[in-house]
Amino acid sequence: GESVGLHLPTLSVQEGDNSIINCAYSNSASDYFIWYKQESGKGPQFIIDIRSNMDKRQGQRVTVLLNKTVKHLSLQIAATQPGDSAVYFCAEGLTGGGNKLTFGTGTQLKVEL
Amino acid sequence: DAGVTQSPTHLIKTRGQHVTLRCSPISGHKSVSWYQQVLGQGPQFIFQYYEKEERGRGNFPDRFSARQFPNYSSELNVNALLLGDSALYLCASSLELFRSGANVLTFGAGSRLTVL
Repeated sequence: GESVGLHLPTLSVQEGDNSIINCAYSNSASDYFIWYKQESGKGPQFIIDIRSNMDKRQGQRVTVLLNKTVKHLSLQIAATQPGDSAVYFCAEGLTGGGNKLTFGTGTQLKVEL
Repeated sequence: DAGVTQSPTHLIKTRGQHVTLRCSPISGHKSVSWYQQVLGQGPQFIFQYYEKEERGRGNFPDRFSARQFPNYSSELNVNALLLGDSALYLCASSLELFRSGANVLTFGAGSRLTVL
């Protein structure tokens, strides 16, 4: 399929290394944040979410950190694998806003063997 | 279990035409949302529907319209197509509308619209 990551910032990591993808969000009132992974030709796939009353949440090989002071979100992927190669988007939402999410511009992660 | 299914997967239209895109949510999901993703950008919110009612609209012109049917499937219609409407149109479904708890949106693979 067509490349989702055309002209996006790119992060290249070696297989087995840890990856850190950063995101600045825009609305200080946002209270729900999600990371999505999008592979070529596919829709965004949920990875992990975090609410604004937390500053860290861990999943399987992934950790999300939230710094509300500077409106910054990061996704850490441990022991990066070739299957992690994709475009990663952060998205922000608001309680009461339904399913309206505001997505960031995305980061292309390339895993080198 | 089938995920969110969208049709058609690809289509080509010319300026001025209209298009109808279709979405079937995950079984049991009552909410459907539509997003537009221009190449190289993140998805942008267009509409959300819950229980057949529009519950939110993004910053898109009136040429964009949608509806949700009693079986919770949905259509997105775009009239008077412009070149700038070329994009991947994503449908996402969720069990309920996100309110006070985590409510995972599940996206379909999208409909790729090219306007010539």
